[in-house]
Amino acid sequence: GAVVSQHPSWVICKSGTSVKIECRSLDFQATTMFWYRQFPKQSLMLMATSNEGSKATYEQGVEKDKFLINHASLTLSTLTVTSAHPEDSSSYICSAGRDRGQTEAFFGQGTRLTVV
Amino acid sequence: AQSVTQPDIHITVSEGASLELRCNYSYGATPYLFWYVQSPGQGLQLLLKYFSGDTLVQGIKGFEAEFKRSQSSFNLRKPSVHWSDAAEYFCAVGPHSGSARQLTFGSGTQLTVLP
Repeated sequence: GAVVSQHPSWVICKSGTSVKIECRSLDFQATTMFWYRQFPKQSLMLMATSNEGSKATYEQGVEKDKFLINHASLTLSTLTVTSAHPEDSSSYICSAGRDRGQTEAFFGQGTRLTVV
Repeated sequence: AQSVTQPDIHITVSEGASLELRCNYSYGATPYLFWYVQSPGQGLQLLLKYFSGDTLVQGIKGFEAEFKRSQSSFNLRKPSVHWSDAAEYFCAVGPHSGSARQLTFGSGTQLTVLP
């Protein structure tokens, strides 16, 4: 199966700093990647769709200036949480599919962010 | 807008017992339906998916699910649960057109397996 890897798996940062999370498709090219947020004991909520070579599409209520997404290549998308605050503490999970016609999404293991 | 409801937040079963996890969806068209499992510290793993055709879908680890259009349901079943099945289970729906990988998830069902 296809492998999606996130780095780091967990991170602790100070309030006010920025954190970058990487999502890589290891054995396939992904023109589109998705970023989800999952609070403890809750479900995944789609934050944004990351498109290679173009601007990301954000879901309603997600601050694009706070959650910067860059999809610089067909195998890498990054999510930067800027000026992080304790309420941003959450798991951030990415997913990707092999091509536009592929209907199955492959998920990364998630990045647990704790802002102190 | 699409939505997914998993009415059971937490289910406890004994090892060897049968299992059914409920999932109801609301969608304007024919959806793609998925069941994922998430173990602590692990990523989401796809158990099975329904796109079209036979409404009874077989998945990995002995799981199956049945799509019932009249009931807008896609319940997950397993005839005999193993201790290793203890995890969080998510039902999800995706659109038939466009990007089916843009999923809407249910709130999840936590499964506890008693020895």
